[in-house]
Amino acid sequence: DADVTQTPRNRITKTGKRIMLECSQTKGHDRMYWYRQDPGLGLRLIYYSFDVKDINKGEISDGYSVSRQAQAKFSLSLESAIPNQTALYFCATSASGEPEAFFGQGTRLTVV
Amino acid sequence: AQSVTQLGSHVSVSEGALVLLRCNYSSSVPPYLFWYVQYPNQGLQLLLKYTTGATLVKGINGFEAEFKKSETSFHLTKPSAHMSDAAEYFCAVARTSGNTPLVFGKGTRLSVIA
Repeated sequence: DADVTQTPRNRITKTGKRIMLECSQTKGHDRMYWYRQDPGLGLRLIYYSFDVKDINKGEISDGYSVSRQAQAKFSLSLESAIPNQTALYFCATSASGEPEAFFGQGTRLTVV
Repeated sequence: AQSVTQLGSHVSVSEGALVLLRCNYSSSVPPYLFWYVQYPNQGLQLLLKYTTGATLVKGINGFEAEFKKSETSFHLTKPSAHMSDAAEYFCAVARTSGNTPLVFGKGTRLSVIA
């Protein structure tokens, strides 16, 4: 089983719909992250959480929200999806004080 | 603020040739540096990292990188490319305190020609 699991792996949704992407981890790490990958733009940070009660905005948080339900779970929501949110989304984790991140397999989201 | 510049969005090499992927960073404090690889339809996998100590770092699959502070560079090399090396490669930087998320470059797609 993967250490960092993202669900769903693929999703097509309509403009204006609310959608949630989920991430769970078995690595026991305190820190969790959501990144977005677009061709030619690399990975950009959306939100991150250093522990259950900590939420921080990243570089591109507008249009997104997150919830840290437990140490092992970190979900990303698009309240009203728009086509330019079509991208590959990655969840990642790291241990406290250690910057090395471990990534999930990604969720490919298409907004039509 | 920290940033990473990867020179060349696409690099093409022949099988058996040297692979050189370039990464320059900007950081106001000593950095931690990373190279990740992404194979098609997969997540990112750590290739190697520099934290402290030896500036020449060896990673998986025969890759290595050298931290050059004077040049603010962390270029990735492999002496002989294999077809299986075709992937996208990302350079990333973080503060040595370990209290900041990784900042990634825009990636370099490596093609290997038979």
